[in-house]
Amino acid sequence: AQKITQTQPGMFVQEKEAVTLDCTYDTSDQSYGLFWYKQPSSGEMIFLIYQGSYDEQNATEGRYSLNFQKARKSANLVISASQLGDSAMYFCAMCILTGGGNKLTFGTGTQLKVEL
Amino acid sequence: NAGVTQTPKFQVLKTGQSMTLQCAQDMNHEYMSWYRQDPGMGLRLIHYSVGAGITDQGEVPNGYNVSRSTTEDFPLRLLSAAPSQTSVYFCASGWAMDTIYFGEGSWLTVV
Repeated sequence: AQKITQTQPGMFVQEKEAVTLDCTYDTSDQSYGLFWYKQPSSGEMIFLIYQGSYDEQNATEGRYSLNFQKARKSANLVISASQLGDSAMYFCAMCILTGGGNKLTFGTGTQLKVEL
Repeated sequence: NAGVTQTPKFQVLKTGQSMTLQCAQDMNHEYMSWYRQDPGMGLRLIHYSVGAGITDQGEVPNGYNVSRSTTEDFPLRLLSAAPSQTSVYFCASGWAMDTIYFGEGSWLTVV
């Protein structure tokens, strides 16, 4: 079974500062993918970044980067130069590809608040 | 949320009623799935599919039924709604492991 742990229920960051959201995972599968999604108060799930288990380089997408440490089973999201619009819930998720399709397991999320 | 359309966006049901949440995607994705999100929790997988005619159960399948007759559509049926099914429902579609897109969500209240 797969498990995602996000230990920070809430985080505060000053505008223009960088922030790291923690995510650890557990799986016995060798092939998996790690995602981060943003969920603003309007409720939609917005894809931010993806890291494959065999990718040697850390993924980056604009101001988002994923700090992937395979041996530690961690996949932390780093947001650089925080903006007020970054205030939202952030979910870490792991995907396993099975014969029946792709299955995502989510963490419980981190509520990020960006302050002036 | 490129190309994944969910309807309705909001619905109120009485206990015991049935209904279908619709999900359609226009990206020719093989994989489609349904999740539910309850307060204070992440999304949990209800049912998923790898293509037309092929479905499987996820973590919380009880009380829900799915079928996939076309690549584009993956409806979720509530057979006899219960208050415990009050939740936000998300449909997702994708190719392999690295492309998974979500619809905008359907807010369901069962009274």
